[in-house]
Amino acid sequence: GNSVTQMEGPVTLSEEAFLTINCTYTATGYPSLFWYVQYPGEGLQLLLKATKADDKGSNKGFEATYRKETTSFHLEKGSVQVSDSAVYFCALTQTSGSRLTFGEGTQLTVNP
Amino acid sequence: EAGVVQSPRYKIIEKKQPVAFWCNPISGHNTLYWYLQNLGQGPELLIRYENEEAVDDSQLPKDRFSAERLKGVDSTLKIQPAELGDSAVYLCASSLDAGGHNEQFFGPGTRLTVL
Repeated sequence: GNSVTQMEGPVTLSEEAFLTINCTYTATGYPSLFWYVQYPGEGLQLLLKATKADDKGSNKGFEATYRKETTSFHLEKGSVQVSDSAVYFCALTQTSGSRLTFGEGTQLTVNP
Repeated sequence: EAGVVQSPRYKIIEKKQPVAFWCNPISGHNTLYWYLQNLGQGPELLIRYENEEAVDDSQLPKDRFSAERLKGVDSTLKIQPAELGDSAVYLCASSLDAGGHNEQFFGPGTRLTVL
């Protein structure tokens, strides 16, 4: 079956530091890949997505590249802000169905 | 445009009691999802509707959980009777259709505590 593995958290950074959250997946065929973010007290929001190999999703300074050869979709941001503090979820769907399979989430805390 | 609406936001009940959650998806979205999110984990799909038809309910514990989406718009998820292990956040999401690349929009969730 499908599965998503995220780096263990929590992650604590200082403002303006570089962020990487690792995500690898197991799936058949060609899944679509997503990063969702959950801010404190709010619902899940789509941060970015990529639907085919070598695609790069980007939004709000965050980027992730769909790497089929390494089955990875690592999230990066060059300079984090306090407002980026949230839980980040990597997820995938198969092209033939829309069940989202999530990783366990990574709690990010950015200190001023 | 209003997002996905869920109610109640919080619910505390005693074990063996029934409980129901309500979800109103984004207008025009044909596909509706119920996910279960345990503390410290990612959401897991319980059931997916395409219009009024449940097309993926393989993860729904049918001995105590039931769901309906009459008229293909809003939906209700019910647990009867609730158990201590059902304490979690129940998320509703919707998308235009069931294509795997489509964005799913999530509601704020209902946090259930079973005592």
